[in-house]
Amino acid sequence: EAGVAQSPRYKIIEKRQSVAFWCNPISGHATLYWYQQILGQGPKLLIQFQNNGVVDDSQLPKDRFSAERLKGVDSTLKIQPAKLEDSAVYLCASSRVDSYNEQFFGPGTRLTVL
Amino acid sequence: AQSVTQLDSHVSVSEGTPVLLRCNYSSSYSPSLFWYVQHPNKGLQLLLKYTSAATLVKGINGFEAEFKKSETSFHLTKPSAHMSDAAEYFCVVRDSNYQLIWGAGTKLIIKP
Repeated sequence: EAGVAQSPRYKIIEKRQSVAFWCNPISGHATLYWYQQILGQGPKLLIQFQNNGVVDDSQLPKDRFSAERLKGVDSTLKIQPAKLEDSAVYLCASSRVDSYNEQFFGPGTRLTVL
Repeated sequence: AQSVTQLDSHVSVSEGTPVLLRCNYSSSYSPSLFWYVQHPNKGLQLLLKYTSAATLVKGINGFEAEFKKSETSFHLTKPSAHMSDAAEYFCVVRDSNYQLIWGAGTKLIIKP
């Protein structure tokens, strides 16, 4: 089966600009996650969707970050405006409907904010 | 609250020698524990998981880990390192809300 797809793979922007990332989960996976991985750290969960509803967004900086999964399939994560400290790899993962199940990760989008 | 500590940020071994990546966890109940591997420019991949069955867990690529409750440890081992094992390894604990709590990672370097 096809894995989790993410685009773009790399993005370089200036601070205060906007950026959007796209994720297409594995077919049939109801749960979708966005993580932020800063260099030298483990991933940090930003938001978790089940179908098109938000399960957990407690660590999402809502003043600048937003995410949506309108049709319960693919998802976008947006940053507006970006700050230097947003430089990181943004990982998307998906799992079957039960969160107990294994999460499958995409290759990530590496964001550099100058 | 659950937490996980990876005791080494970098581990360097020679090809063909054993690998030991150390992980300690903190949990108020019987945890589920995982090891993930991240190769450069590739997605995270599950190596193995412990979910209260056998304490010695075998994973992919010859890796295994042993759950030791008395020591609150879940160390990852491999008898003989291969060049393709060079990657970053993450120890992960799942909390009561089924969220994954990640360690900071251990970079494994294989010397020829």
